[in-house]
Amino acid sequence: NAGVMQNPRHLVRRRGQEARLRCSPMKGHSHVYWYRQLPEEGLKFMVYLQKENIIDESGMPKERFSAEFPKEGPSILRIQQVVRGDSAAYFCASSPPGSPGNTIYFGEGSWLTVV
Amino acid sequence: DAKTTQPPSMDCAEGRAANLPCNHSTISGNEYVYWYRQIHSQGPQYIIHGLKNNETNEMASLIITEDRKSSTLILPHATLRDTAVYYCIVRVEGGGSEKLVFGKGMKLTVNP
Repeated sequence: NAGVMQNPRHLVRRRGQEARLRCSPMKGHSHVYWYRQLPEEGLKFMVYLQKENIIDESGMPKERFSAEFPKEGPSILRIQQVVRGDSAAYFCASSPPGSPGNTIYFGEGSWLTVV
Repeated sequence: DAKTTQPPSMDCAEGRAANLPCNHSTISGNEYVYWYRQIHSQGPQYIIHGLKNNETNEMASLIITEDRKSSTLILPHATLRDTAVYYCIVRVEGGGSEKLVFGKGMKLTVNP
């Protein structure tokens, strides 16, 4: 059973470009979470999605950031007009539906560098 | 904000048991305690989680106090590869949402 798959693992973008990060959850998992980790800091929650629905986006910056989890295909975290401060590791996690005691598994992350 | 507090760092000798403490005095009755670890430049690795009872798996044991205000993660025989940042996390629920809220974690260094 493959784990949470994220791609690309490393992405370099110039200021003003767009970055798209993809996350394929584990098989059978319909809940996806995105986290951001700035250098030398802990993980910060960004958004929680279920299939076709955004449940909690309280951690998302108000501008330039968006996320989706369509009925088919991976979840996408999109950052428009990137700035140097967006340079970070972005982690996706997934869990199955059901009880709050389910295990949440993380992917290996996508490292975004803005030059 | 994270509901947990951990010491910033801890050392342990290789082969010894590592006991990692965590305080979560404001935990609610239905909130689970999760432990993850992160080795530099890798994604957080799930270790164990529990609600009230003590839990054990192939990686570790989790001891939760009866009042649930604190817990201890036990690595029974620490190895050099257990050197990592360990996060004790309360899975927060509210407003239809649920999520893991990470704190700063605790750096465990296993020494030869």
